[in-house]
Amino acid sequence: GEKVEQHESTLSVREGDSAVINCTYTDTASSYFPWYKQEAGKSLHFVIDIRSNVDRKQSQRLTVLLDKKAKRFSLHITATQPEDSAIYFCAARVQGGRALIFGTGTTVSVSP
Amino acid sequence: EAAVTQSPRNKVTVTGGNVTLSCRQTNSHNYMYWYRQDTGHGLRLIHYSYGAGNLQIGDVPDGYKATRTTQEDFFLLLELASPSQTSLYFCASSDGGQGDNQAPLFGEGTRLSVL
Repeated sequence: GEKVEQHESTLSVREGDSAVINCTYTDTASSYFPWYKQEAGKSLHFVIDIRSNVDRKQSQRLTVLLDKKAKRFSLHITATQPEDSAIYFCAARVQGGRALIFGTGTTVSVSP
Repeated sequence: EAAVTQSPRNKVTVTGGNVTLSCRQTNSHNYMYWYRQDTGHGLRLIHYSYGAGNLQIGDVPDGYKATRTTQEDFFLLLELASPSQTSLYFCASSDGGQGDNQAPLFGEGTRLSVL
């Protein structure tokens, strides 16, 4: 079955710098890639997604890039702020597939 | 407002005990999911359902049963709880269906401790 590997377990950045989280997947039939944010002690909240028919999507300070050839996708956060500190999860779903498969999460810490 | 509500929010039980985790969604979604979150493992899919009476097996189903009684309600049952089932459990719902590309909406989670 599909597996999603999230490469960075922790990421520390200074406020105002950029952060990049990388994920790879195994199933070439994967077609949907959402990202979730989990603040300390809270639930997962959707932040941005990308579908396999595009290779880039931007929403304010967040950009997702998708490289289907390399089976890799990444989340870019620009101009980081302390409130960006959280665990970020990538996920993938196979076209017509049953459920999202998640990566192991990246803890992002933004320091002043 | 779309919502997924889990109960209880916290639960402590003993080894061998019975536990039922409840989830209700008011989003008219077809799909509901149970995940467990553990450090180093991310979220792992336990069971899911695409409608009342339907149950699909996830990636880590051992020791868990689930039942979808209505479109709104999805339950996770641990009949002989073990310490390895100590975890944070999330329920989620989505519109689902083939080709569905919507991010599931998550509940607030249930923290379960098995002593």
